[in-house]
Parts: sequence; structure tokens; C-alpha cells
Amino acid sequence: GEDVEQSLFLSVREGDSSVINCTYTDSSSTYLYWYKQEPGAGLQLLTYIFSNMDMKQDQRLTVLLNKKDKHLSLRIADTQTGDSAIYFCAEIATGNQFYFGTGTSLTVIP
Amino acid sequence: NAGVTQTPKFQVLKTGQSMTLQCAQDMNHEYMSWYRQDPGMGLRLIHYSVGAGITDQGEVPNGYNVSRSTTEDFPLRLLSAAPSQTSVYFCASSYAAGDYNEQFFGPGTRLTVL
Repeated sequence: GEDVEQSLFLSVREGDSSVINCTYTDSSSTYLYWYKQEPGAGLQLLTYIFSNMDMKQDQRLTVLLNKKDKHLSLRIADTQTGDSAIYFCAEIATGNQFYFGTGTSLTVIP
Repeated sequence: NAGVTQTPKFQVLKTGQSMTLQCAQDMNHEYMSWYRQDPGMGLRLIHYSVGAGITDQGEVPNGYNVSRSTTEDFPLRLLSAAPSQTSVYFCASSYAAGDYNEQFFGPGTRLTVL
């Protein structure tokens, strides 16, 4: 399968910015996604970026895409305690299968 | 709409037992899939279906069977449970496979195999 890599843990103070990083392998991915998983729940789509874009901003969320390095990041501005969750990046690889990263557990310290 | 529903929420099995995890969606989505989530490994695709009557294997299909007799339902069968199948299982659906599509996830089934 595809390798989608993320660091496992991130801890930030409330009000600071969080940056979650992801590297992927399939350069043909048309869209790349960020999903959020709250404790005891399934995943919910947070945001996505089309592969011909470098950046996408959506309120407190900024997605950066570096296609040359196959690197995707999610920046959350003014991080709140309600942002504590696991964040997954995902790509659709050849064969229309989703591949998810290992997930980054974000802890926001009050 | 109920979205994607899964039953049961929790299940404990003994090694060798069989069971079926149920998944249903009421959004008329063609694409459905099953994932397992294990600590430090993210979500791994078990099986998926692009429409009624069509199923295919994902990344980790061994020990699992699926069928898709209707658009709404996509059950996952464990034929002979093993401790290695202890995991949280998620069902997901989307309107179509490929390009942009949002996957909608069920709440998950937490399975323990003793």
C-alpha cells in the first residue's frame, strides 16, 4: 500500500498555532484530505486541497501543499481545547483507494 | 438522514468464533468501505465496494469477507476470529470513488478477540 506518514503526537498551549505535518507517496493524487477524529467517534472531513493548489485557507485552518516534496501540512490558528483530537491526512491513490496516515494526536493545554 | 450506522458498538469474541459487523447508509452512496484502526497504524482498508454486487480487496483483507447485495448495506464477516483482529472497525461511504469525494464514517465497532 501507500505510505502516508505523520508524527504521532503534538502538544500545544491554548491560543498558540498548531502545525501538523504529513508526507505521502502517490504523486498522482488529485485531492489530499485532512480528517478529524474526536474521542470515541468516527472520522469527519475537516478540509481538503486540490493537487494544483499550493495553499488553501478556511477560517482558522490553513493547508499547505508542496507537491515536489510530497508534503502536506495543516495549520490551526488560535488552537482551542476543542481542537484536541486525532488528525489524519489521506490521499486517494491509483485504484481509487483512500490511504490514511497514522494520525497525529493533538493535545491542547489550557 | 441517519448517515452511516454500525452495529454493534462493542463486541467481545473468543478465538475461532464468527460474527458479522453490520453497516448501513441511507444517503444512496455507491462507494462503501471497511477500515480497521490500530494504535500507531492509522486506518487500513479491509474491503471496499463501488456498487451493489461489486466488492474488492483492500490492504488487509485476510480473515474477512464482505458482500454488497443492496446499495444500503455492506456487512463485514469475520470467519474465525483471531486475537490479531482486535481493533476498532469503521465503515465509510461516499457518493463515488475517486477524485473529490467526502467519505462519511460510522461511529465504529470496538472488537476484542480473546
